[in-house]
Amino acid sequence: DGGITQSPKYLFRKEGQNVTLSCEQNLNHDAMYWYRQDPGQGLRLIYYSQIVNDFQKGDIAEGYSVSREKKESFPLTVTSAQKNPTAFYLCASSIRGYNEQFFGPGTRLTVL
Amino acid sequence: DQQVKQNSPSLSVQEGRISILNCDYTNSMFDYFLWYKKYPAEGPTFLISISSIKDKNEDGRFTVFLNKSAKHLSLHIVPSQPGDSAVYFCAAGQGGSEKLVFGKGMKLTVNP
Repeated sequence: DGGITQSPKYLFRKEGQNVTLSCEQNLNHDAMYWYRQDPGQGLRLIYYSQIVNDFQKGDIAEGYSVSREKKESFPLTVTSAQKNPTAFYLCASSIRGYNEQFFGPGTRLTVL
Repeated sequence: DQQVKQNSPSLSVQEGRISILNCDYTNSMFDYFLWYKKYPAEGPTFLISISSIKDKNEDGRFTVFLNKSAKHLSLHIVPSQPGDSAVYFCAAGQGGSEKLVFGKGMKLTVNP
C-alpha cells in the first residue's frame, strides 16, 4: 500500500524550540517537497529535493532546514528563526521529470 | 508576484448544477496545469490535468479547458454533488521541472 506518511498529525511546541516534521514515502519517487499552507495563502514551497543528498530552497525557506539522506525520507526542521511557524505543513513527492505531485496528509504545527 | 491566480475565493452552487472554477496564469513558460481538491486538515488529492498541447481534457464529471492565448483555464464539474464541496487549487508547471506553482485556492460549496 504505497503512499506518503507524515507524522505526527498535530504537533505543539513552545516558542523558541526547534521541531522536526517527518515525511516518508514508499512510492519510489525521486523528488520530494515541503509546502506550507496558511489561510488564504494557498500552498507555498519551502524546500524541494530532486535526488538524495541534494535539495534547493523554495520561495519561503528562511527559518527552515531539511535533509535528504535517504530516498524515502525528507524531514523538515522548523527552527526558532522562523517568525510565524504556526501553520499546516504538507509533504509531497513526484516521479522525476513529471509534474504530478502526490501529497501526504499534513502536519498541523502550533507554536505556543 | 502571483504567477497563478484564482481570483474568486469561494463559489456556492446547487446540487446537480454546473460548477465552474477559474484560474489565470501570467508565466507563458507554463505548459502543464493541474487541479487538486483538498478537504480540511487533509493533503490535496490530484483531480485532473492538461498539457498545453491540448485545449480540453475530460475525466468523468470533470473537464478542464485551457485557453493559452488568454492564459486562462477552467474546471467544470457537471453535475455537482455535495461531496464535491472542498477547496480546489489550480497549479502550473514547466516541462522538465518538477516544481509547481499553486494558486490560493477556491472553496466550493455544493448545496443539497
